[in-house]
Amino acid sequence: QSVLSQPPSASGTPGQRVTISCSGSSSNIGSKYVYWYQQLPGTAPKLLIYTNNQRPAGVPDRFSGSKSGTSASLAISGLRSEDEADYYCAAWDDSLSGPVFGGGTKLTVL
Amino acid sequence: QLQLQESGPGLVKPSETLSLTCTVSGGSISTDNYYWQWIRQPPGKGLEWIGSIYFSGSTYYNPSLESRVTISVDTSKNQFSLKLSSVTAADTAVYYCARCYVAAAPTYWGQGTLITVSS
Repeated sequence: QSVLSQPPSASGTPGQRVTISCSGSSSNIGSKYVYWYQQLPGTAPKLLIYTNNQRPAGVPDRFSGSKSGTSASLAISGLRSEDEADYYCAAWDDSLSGPVFGGGTKLTVL
Repeated sequence: QLQLQESGPGLVKPSETLSLTCTVSGGSISTDNYYWQWIRQPPGKGLEWIGSIYFSGSTYYNPSLESRVTISVDTSKNQFSLKLSSVTAADTAVYYCARCYVAAAPTYWGQGTLITVSS
């Protein structure tokens, strides 16, 4: 049972825009920055979004993040086949004194 | 560019102690405001925080694992380590080391190492 809640799956066709939600509480998303990761099979999570809406160098601007209250979202526009992966949200949790993660969303590009 | 690399045996017997080391390169483990993490991912499942350490030696553990976990740091070698005792099949997972800024989620990850608990 993950501390942050994500839908287990999402899908879209090439070129579409998809969003993935992440819900938490006041001890994590409500008071801390949200991070998003992309994980391809057999690889480590790759940082996609940090501090709610910032992209590391090399991450396409098709990926964007937002946060409101105790929820956050990752949006992917102009969907491409290579975007098919698992996506995880994360945030620091003051109650745990450590990072907490969503259960992951498997994105399928139809 | 900061790099983290996990190392350790891939197979551990039930009831024994799992030991892993993370070697940090391209930066100092003694940098202020950065915490060094252990995170694991069972096959086909999500990510679970195990614990973290600051270069001073201060540690923080997930309460669900605290009784079995010890994390230590060796600043002279730019390494930190994980020990997980009394392992069972439920501890089979890919184990990652990572770095977090203070009160933030990880920004740098190691490539991960699969640890299988089996006799």
